[in-house]
Amino acid sequence: LAKTTQPISMDSYEGQEVNITCSHNNIATNDYITWYQQFPSQGPRFIIQGYKTKVTNEVASLFIPADRKSSTLSLPRVSLSDTAVYYCLVGESVAGNQFYFGTGTSLTVIP
Amino acid sequence: GAGVSQSPRYKVAKRGQDVALRCDPISGHVSLFWYQQALGQGPEFLTYFQNEAQLDKSGLPSDRFFAERPEGSVSTLKIQRTQQEDSAVYLCASSLDSGQGPTYEQYFGPGTRLTVT
Repeated sequence: LAKTTQPISMDSYEGQEVNITCSHNNIATNDYITWYQQFPSQGPRFIIQGYKTKVTNEVASLFIPADRKSSTLSLPRVSLSDTAVYYCLVGESVAGNQFYFGTGTSLTVIP
Repeated sequence: GAGVSQSPRYKVAKRGQDVALRCDPISGHVSLFWYQQALGQGPEFLTYFQNEAQLDKSGLPSDRFFAERPEGSVSTLKIQRTQQEDSAVYLCASSLDSGQGPTYEQYFGPGTRLTVT
């Protein structure tokens, strides 16, 4: 099971691009990288998932280098509503305890 | 359609009482998960169902914890003889994925906050 390392917290001003990097040195060949967002008093919400290179959706981009030992979640032009905890997960499938959330990165967006 | 729902949203139990927490997954979702989230921590896996079969219960902290999903839809997490250390938010998630192949996104409910006094 590949565990992950993320910064505990980050601050950013409104309108800036935020990049949160996650280290996963022991990622396995079949592992995917998934990011979740969690607001207070809510369950986590899926943001984006990737295997290699770059993935982009309407919410974020995910950059994965060739060695896949890290990944970077990029949030363009953050707003106050992006203040949340962001979790990076690495795993092969949804089966069992392959989903290890860790403590995540608490992002605070400042006006 | 509706998302994952959980009930009750809040539960206060006296130490030693039994509690039952309910999860209604998204209709048609094969996989169902329970997580425990302590204050300031990320969710920790408790157990996983594929339809009615409990395929992994390795995260259940003790034999006081029991989960079921008898008809492959609604699930109940039961905690017997609650202890103060059981105080946490219990999250349920469901997914379309059957556990084969790539990871699919999990849809989480709002959680049940359990406080044991």
